[in-house]
Amino acid sequence: DVKVTQSSRYLVKRTGEKVFLECVQDMDHENMFWYRQDPGLGLRLIYFSYDVKMKEKGDIPEGYSVSREKKERFSLILESASTNQTSMYLCASSLLGQQWGEQYFGPGTRLTVT
Amino acid sequence: AQKVTQAQTEISVVEKEDVTLDCVYETRDTTYYLFWYKQPPSGELVFLIRRNSFDEQNEISGRYSWNFQKSTSSFNFTITASQVVDSAVYFCALSEAGNTPLVFGKGTRLSVIA
Repeated sequence: DVKVTQSSRYLVKRTGEKVFLECVQDMDHENMFWYRQDPGLGLRLIYFSYDVKMKEKGDIPEGYSVSREKKERFSLILESASTNQTSMYLCASSLLGQQWGEQYFGPGTRLTVT
Repeated sequence: AQKVTQAQTEISVVEKEDVTLDCVYETRDTTYYLFWYKQPPSGELVFLIRRNSFDEQNEISGRYSWNFQKSTSSFNFTITASQVVDSAVYFCALSEAGNTPLVFGKGTRLSVIA
């Protein structure tokens, strides 16, 4: 079974803090993704990566950065957290040959910024 | 530009009723992939099905069935004899050929009442 794990299920941070959300997959997938999910807005793509040290901006990259130093790990960084970044964050991975389909998701991290 | 519309925000049915979740998509590509994902209360999105644009055959898997119609750009999902365990948010998604990430609809929350 493909396993995508995220470092925390729930996280509470203060405005201005630097926040790291970690995602690890164990199936040697090339592609990894970060989404945020908000009520009424569905899933919106923040960043994705198709290889180590490669990254591409998604639809809403402002206020975020990412790091992919190893194939299995994809980190989302909030340089200076703000209250409008309170959200559910979902990580996903997929095989390169699957035409970016059949993504496997982690359980999500619900981040609250106060 | 690609777009996925799930017009039904919330649906509530009584157990054993049949229910259809609608999905309408927009794309300029002739080659594309359509997906359905389920997000139960636990939060982790679960892949249900993928169809490519050249395969319009309907598919049935147990109580689940999918109706893909290119003429109306729709990929609807029907649950027959619904059960309480079907309660979840369901997302329809689209991926165009050429290694583009998935675009998700905003989701439909299904509540099945015992």
